[in-house]
Amino acid sequence: GAGVSQTPSNKVTEKGKYVELRCDPISGHTALYWYRQSLGQGPEFLIYFQGTGAADDSGLPNDRFFAVRPEGSVSTLKIQRTERGDSAVYLCASSLMPGGIYTDTQYFGPGTRLTVL
Amino acid sequence: GENVGLHLPTLSVQEGDNSIINCAYSNSASDYFIWYKQESGKGPQFIIDIRSNMDKRQGQRVTVLLNKTVKHLSLQIAATQPGDSAVYFCAESTGGGSNYKLTFGKGTLLTVNP
Repeated sequence: GAGVSQTPSNKVTEKGKYVELRCDPISGHTALYWYRQSLGQGPEFLIYFQGTGAADDSGLPNDRFFAVRPEGSVSTLKIQRTERGDSAVYLCASSLMPGGIYTDTQYFGPGTRLTVL
Repeated sequence: GENVGLHLPTLSVQEGDNSIINCAYSNSASDYFIWYKQESGKGPQFIIDIRSNMDKRQGQRVTVLLNKTVKHLSLQIAATQPGDSAVYFCAESTGGGSNYKLTFGKGTLLTVNP
């Protein structure tokens, strides 16, 4: 079956520009997560959606970063006034059930490689 | 200066040998642990998980061992194959409703020589 998909696979932008990164989770998965992975590092948590609402956005680095999931399926990560330090691979994951007492496996997409020049 | 972030721990094995990848976790409150495999240009792929009430769990060709006393996790891969070459990450999460937030380790680069 189809896994998590992310578009675009690569995005090159100039410092100060606005970018949107899209995530299509596995059909039927209610939970959606965004992570950021810098070169040579493990993924770092950014934000978690349970349905349409952001249940935890504590990992977003600053107010230039924002994410939405208006219909509880597709999510968009938005970055304003991009900086060179934003360059990284942005990963999306989804799981069947929200996190809680019983953790459910998070399945990752291939990521979007963002390069800010 | 040198970017130490690029210097992953590495493990090189011969095809057919068994591999053991180790991970030290930091949070004694973590109660759920996962191993992911990440090939170049791809997202992390789930391998196996274990809860803190267990000390061993086996899958197909893989075994995860958990030692909570010393906060140590290991992944054993039997009969390692060239397709196993990748970066392996351990991840942990805590209970109390926070199981969604995975904290990843630095990763280990496994190279399998044919």
